[in-house]
Amino acid sequence: AQSVSQHNHHVILSEAASLELGCNYSYGGTVNLFWYVQYPGQHLQLLLKYFSGDPLVKGIKGFEAEFIKSKFSFNLRKPSVQWSDTAEYFCAVKRRNSGNTPLVFGKGTRLSVIA
Amino acid sequence: GAVVSQHPSRVICKSGTSVKIECRSLDFQATTMFWYRQFPKKSLMLMATSNEGSKATYEQGVEKDKFLINHASLTLSTLTVTSAHPEDSSFYICSAREAYQETQYFGPGTRLLVL
Repeated sequence: AQSVSQHNHHVILSEAASLELGCNYSYGGTVNLFWYVQYPGQHLQLLLKYFSGDPLVKGIKGFEAEFIKSKFSFNLRKPSVQWSDTAEYFCAVKRRNSGNTPLVFGKGTRLSVIA
Repeated sequence: GAVVSQHPSRVICKSGTSVKIECRSLDFQATTMFWYRQFPKKSLMLMATSNEGSKATYEQGVEKDKFLINHASLTLSTLTVTSAHPEDSSFYICSAREAYQETQYFGPGTRLLVL
């Protein structure tokens, strides 16, 4: 069975600091990878996704993630965070072309950005 | 992007009553819908997967007679919490996926409080 690990439960950064949130998955086959964000009081929104091609994926709001197959990782990065990036971030994985199987989520990382 | 709506956004009910939550895909046909439950400061717990016109597939530990799921059309799925009890109080989120697509889109969630 697949599983997703997000190592950081809560990250606190000052504005303009750089961000990297770790995500590792366990599955030997081909996967699609996602990062979702949940702002306070709002629903989950897709930040970015990787299906194939360039392993460095750019998403909305200046976020990017890099797929490193050898490390089974898909870390999320942003060079300079803003207060408005305060949110919960979820990494998710799905076996590619597996039909109706749902996304498998990590436990989430809460990011708090302070002024 | 694809939009998923949920209704109601918030419901308060008495113990023993049943509550129905609707999930609609507004601009695409959702052949598969997923229902999640999110506990405070925790990740999403998948409850069930439903395909249009078929019976839902429930995750281990989720009572199918308590959480009735109907996916009668390509744009609507409903979750009915039957004989609700205070321990059913939670945040319920639906997610939808179009046929042959890999990305799941999420609704805004329904907060259920059972008194």
